[in-house]
Parts: sequence; structure tokens; C-alpha cells
Amino acid sequence: AQTVTQSQPEMSVQEAETVTLSCTYDTSENNYYLFWYKQPPSRQMILVIRQEAYKQQNATENRFSVNFQKAAKSFSLKISDSQLGDTAMYFCAFMTIQGAQKLVFGQGTRLTINP
Amino acid sequence: SAVISQKPSRDICQRGTSLTIQCQVDSQVTMMFWYRQQPGQSLTLIATANQGSEATYESGFVIDKFPISRPNLTFSTLTVSNMSPEDSSIYLCSVEGRAGELFFGEGSRLTVL
Repeated sequence: AQTVTQSQPEMSVQEAETVTLSCTYDTSENNYYLFWYKQPPSRQMILVIRQEAYKQQNATENRFSVNFQKAAKSFSLKISDSQLGDTAMYFCAFMTIQGAQKLVFGQGTRLTINP
Repeated sequence: SAVISQKPSRDICQRGTSLTIQCQVDSQVTMMFWYRQQPGQSLTLIATANQGSEATYESGFVIDKFPISRPNLTFSTLTVSNMSPEDSSIYLCSVEGRAGELFFGEGSRLTVL
């Protein structure tokens, strides 16, 4: 079974700083997807970024980028020029490509951006 | 991305009663997924709902407790039956996007007294 681990329950940075959230996972699969989701206090789960395991290039979406290390099974999220609106719970998630489209989530990291 | 609407947004219920949560999607989708998020916890998949067949439940979840309907390709309901305080959670509906990602509704926050 796949597992996803986020070792940082909480993080806090000043506005405009760069912050990196850690995520590791365990799987025997070779092809899969990895995601970062954001859950602000409104509780809506919002997709931040997606990475396909077969792609070596790290995914980037504006201020958000990932450092995907397949051999190490690591998938960290970097937020550059952080903004107050980035304050939220961040969940790392894994999905196998074959079979059911089931997301396995990490425990989450509560990120606070301070003014 | 799909637009997913859930009702109710939140509710407070008495122990022993049942509540049905509705999920409406703005496009036809093959599979819909129901997740539970207990207070301060991550999301756990309850079941996968396919149109025209019985839902597939994950380990630890049973149909008698969480019956699901999927009458068409844009709608599903999840019922939380015979509720206890331990059922107090956010329940989220989700659908798959074109690139394998899941999109979520805004969630239904349930409090059981």
C-alpha cells in the first residue's frame, strides 16, 4: 500500500519569503501522479500543482514549484514570494496511474504567512 | 476544471438521525468519489461511485452506514446513517479531471451532537 508522509505539521514564514514544504512517499509503482493541494479556511481543496512520475522535469505553476526526486521518493513544494493568501493547510497526495483513481493524502502541513 | 456543488454546506444533527449530502457536477463524469476529513485530520476515501452500479467502498466503510446513490453522470448523494458524534467531519465530493487530478467540492461540514 502507498503511504504519504509530511513531517512538518506546522510552518510559519514572513510575507515575501520563500518556504519549502516536505513530502515523502512509499510505493512499489513506477508510474504515478503526485499532487499538492491547498485547503484554506474555507475548506475547499484546491489543486496547486501536479507531477507525473515519468517526467524528469520538475513542475512549475507561477510561484509554486516542486523538487521531485523519484529515487528518494521525495516531492517537496516551494512557494516563492509568499503571500498572505497562501495561508492554508497543504496536503501532498499520491495517485497510482493504473487501477482506481484513489488519492492517498499525507497528514498535511499548516502554513501561516505572517505580514 | 469541473465545478462541483455540495449541499448542505454545513449542518448540525442529532445523534441517531441520518443526513443526505448532495453533489452536483457541471459536466458528465464517469466516477465520483466521496472523502471524509475528520477534525484536524487528512482526507480518507470513503467510496467510489459509478453510474449504474453499486459504489465501491474502502476498508472500514460499509454501505449500511454510508449508502451512496449515483442516478446519473452529474449527480451523487452520500447518506450518513444513524449518526454519532464520531461522524462529525467534513465530507467532500470529488471528480477526476482530464490529467488524472481530482477536483473537489467545497465540502459539507457535519456536526453531530
